[in-house]
Amino acid sequence: DAGITQSPRHKVTETGTPVTLRCHQTENHRYMYWYRQDPGHGLRLIHYSYGVKDTDKGEVSDGYSVSRSKTEDFLLTLESATSSQTSVYFCAISEQGGQPQHFGDGTRLSIL
Amino acid sequence: GESVGLHLPTLSVQEGDNSIINCAYSNSASDYFIWYKQESGKGPQFIIDIRSNMDKRQGQRVTVLLNKTVKHLSLQIAATQPGDSAVYFCAEIPNRDDKIIFGKGTRLHILP
Repeated sequence: DAGITQSPRHKVTETGTPVTLRCHQTENHRYMYWYRQDPGHGLRLIHYSYGVKDTDKGEVSDGYSVSRSKTEDFLLTLESATSSQTSVYFCAISEQGGQPQHFGDGTRLSIL
Repeated sequence: GESVGLHLPTLSVQEGDNSIINCAYSNSASDYFIWYKQESGKGPQFIIDIRSNMDKRQGQRVTVLLNKTVKHLSLQIAATQPGDSAVYFCAEIPNRDDKIIFGKGTRLHILP
């Protein structure tokens, strides 16, 4: 999967707890993205990064924050998880913006 | 694997027949288009792309057709096999944009 590792692959947690998902790439690509995938909505962009310490919001960024301190790692944090954030989360990478994105295998997050 | 979309349109095709998956895109400024395949429990995988200066592009067993007049994209899969069973997404990239706009997907079901 284009050298992309997401961790954890599965997580169950309780409402109100903080959660951090990690995406690690070995491709040295500049761009990294976080999506969520839900029935009836397809893939929706949460946040993306166009370089170390450079990030921007996507269409569903409320309740999420991100950090990129190294080229290879992009972290997604839910500061206080809610049940509406139960979803499958995908990380993607691309060499440049506007180029095909390559995806990890996802993290299934359940918030009870 | 996760449920990608409980209400996705479904195309059922006999094994060995050709499949045609259609997609209407939204932005007339889009100049680059991609088809992705997503198998159960995995992330989307790049299949084939096409730029707006072309109307047809062929890969191995797959062909993408682009009709800019009606903003329509199609993916043709020749001699459909059981391994083609998946959800297929079209995606568009508006000119000079960093982000991809994904369609909601079509589930391809292969009949024995």
